[in-house]
Amino acid sequence: SQTIHQWPATLVQPVGSPLSLECTVEGTSNPNLYWYRQAAGRGLQLLFYSVGIGQISSEVPQNLSASRPQDRQFILSSKKLLLSDSGFYLCAWDWGTTYNEQFFGPGTRLTVL
Amino acid sequence: AQTVTQSQPEMSVQEAETVTLSCTYDTSESNYYLFWYKQPPSRQMILVIRQEAYKQQNATENRFSVNFQKAAKSFSLKISDSQLGDTAMYFCAFGVSGYALNFGKGTSLLVTP
Repeated sequence: SQTIHQWPATLVQPVGSPLSLECTVEGTSNPNLYWYRQAAGRGLQLLFYSVGIGQISSEVPQNLSASRPQDRQFILSSKKLLLSDSGFYLCAWDWGTTYNEQFFGPGTRLTVL
Repeated sequence: AQTVTQSQPEMSVQEAETVTLSCTYDTSESNYYLFWYKQPPSRQMILVIRQEAYKQQNATENRFSVNFQKAAKSFSLKISDSQLGDTAMYFCAFGVSGYALNFGKGTSLLVTP
């Protein structure tokens, strides 16, 4: 079976500090991977998605970047955090085929002070 | 571009009663998928039910069922015999093969004793 992990679960960072959130998927190969942000407990905003190693598409230009150094690893980064980066970050994956149900990780709650 | 609208930010239902959550979407695609996700207080996103647009029969999963009206671009979720554990945010999502899901802003459902 497939599982998706995210860490850390909770993070408190000062403004201007760097960020690295990691997501890994087990039990599948060549998945599509996604990073979402959920602010104020509301809707999901798609940040990045990847269809393969080194292939990253950005949906919203902002202070964040993403990388996919391995097939089942997806990293969300920032060189300098802003207050507005606070939120709940969700990683998700799907099979990349015609049936695009997404499976979500447990999320990371980021607070920038 | 596809849009998903959930017009009910908050709803409340008594235990054992039935509640219907509304969702409408806008698309020019003919083949697509629709989903309802549940996000309980733990914030783990859980798939509740899925519907393929080419299927006329409404999907059902135990106490959860949908009313899919393709011509009207409507996809409502009915929860029967509501339970306290159904308290959560519910997100409607639209997907086309090869693309990320589009989510509505969510409906917060409170089930009261």
